[in-house]
Amino acid sequence: DTAVSQTPKYLVTQMGNDKSIKCEQNLGHDTMYWYKQDSKKFLKIMFSYNNKELIINETVPNRFSPKSPDKAHLNLHINSLELGDSAVYFCASSPGQGRPETQYFGPGTRLLVL
Amino acid sequence: RKEVEQDPGPFNVPEGATVAFNCTYSNSASQSFFWYRQDCRKEPKLLMSVYSSGNEDGRFTAQLNRASQYISLLIRDSKLSDSATYLCVVNNPSNTGKLIFGQGTTLQVKP
Repeated sequence: DTAVSQTPKYLVTQMGNDKSIKCEQNLGHDTMYWYKQDSKKFLKIMFSYNNKELIINETVPNRFSPKSPDKAHLNLHINSLELGDSAVYFCASSPGQGRPETQYFGPGTRLLVL
Repeated sequence: RKEVEQDPGPFNVPEGATVAFNCTYSNSASQSFFWYRQDCRKEPKLLMSVYSSGNEDGRFTAQLNRASQYISLLIRDSKLSDSATYLCVVNNPSNTGKLIFGQGTTLQVKP
């Protein structure tokens, strides 16, 4: 009965490959997010979807493409992986826009690009 | 200047000590402030919101100084289980759904 789940937990891949990370929340929340936490521990928002609609799109290379098939799922596809993409990617959800304090994070996906 | 600045530490304290963390933010229009806790190799979790009048939750006290754009977290009677990274978080005033995270301050409580 995990609230926000991500798969896979670990991902090791070669430069140039394409990979996807999946996220699901069973909290009934309307808003979902993708964050990247780099080696210096800075956690930065990448994207946010509200009811399947993109509402936040930070300055992220267009190799990163989020997809929300329904409001309980937000997947992240990454094309042509680069060494600098190595990081921990966290998915999060919240009941709705304007209530940032109630963001619930998934366990993270540790991506290592070789 | 970083939008949210924290001293990364680490802060090494003995059990039972009182420890305080500080954080400054750059956008004076920010309205919502929080402390999140992140254990090693885990996800961040909300510890507490920070209200203008200051607020307390057990051994934890949060304070906000809007004039100085400064937020603090005080932990009294530190426990071993308090060892973690404490993230100062501020909302983006032009988009309340967007949170800006500080780098975090690492606390290590020793027996």
